[in-house]
Amino acid sequence: EAGVTQFPSHSVIEKGQTVTLRCDPISGHDNLYWYRRVMGKEIKFLLHFVKESKQDESGMPNNRFLAERTGGTYSTLKVQPAELEDSGVYFCASSQIAGVPADTQYFGPGTRLTVL
Amino acid sequence: RKEVEQDPGPFNVPEGATVAFNCTYSNSASQSFFWYRQDCRKEPKLLMSVYSSGNEDGRFTAQLNRASQYISLLIRDSKLSDSATYLCVSIPRGSGAGSYQLTFGKGTKLSVIP
Repeated sequence: EAGVTQFPSHSVIEKGQTVTLRCDPISGHDNLYWYRRVMGKEIKFLLHFVKESKQDESGMPNNRFLAERTGGTYSTLKVQPAELEDSGVYFCASSQIAGVPADTQYFGPGTRLTVL
Repeated sequence: RKEVEQDPGPFNVPEGATVAFNCTYSNSASQSFFWYRQDCRKEPKLLMSVYSSGNEDGRFTAQLNRASQYISLLIRDSKLSDSATYLCVSIPRGSGAGSYQLTFGKGTKLSVIP
């Protein structure tokens, strides 16, 4: 069974540009999460989808970040315009069962974003 | 104060040694706890869940002490392949209805030396 996939694996952009990250969860997983690790800090939660609905977006840093999950399958995370402090590794995770908080979250390999 | 705190290490231990990692959490309402393992430049992977009664999986034993808000991971007979960063993780209750967000510690780095 294929795991969580993310694209691209690396992205280098200039400040002020736009970047879109994509995540394909494990097939059949209703829950999709975005997390971010900024250098030197711990991994932090950004938001959680249940199917196509945003269940919790309390971790989104500001309105420069827009996440979508049209059709409840893959998700995109757009950063517009990117700032230097947005650099880090963006992880996507998915879990199968809606309504079970402790259900295992499987992580993708991450997208390493560098904003110059 | 960080929600989940860990000693960053590094812990450098010889093969075959026993090593223990500790973690404290600040949210007394936290309900679920886990240890994740992260290899260099890779994604975190679930190592094991942590239960109040303690649980064991082969060479790995996890313990939860709710009174002290303390979680531990014990690795016996360390292997070279155990070298990684170990992340202490909780799901803080009250972070939002239906929220399953994981809260991570910064991780403890383990190097097992031949």
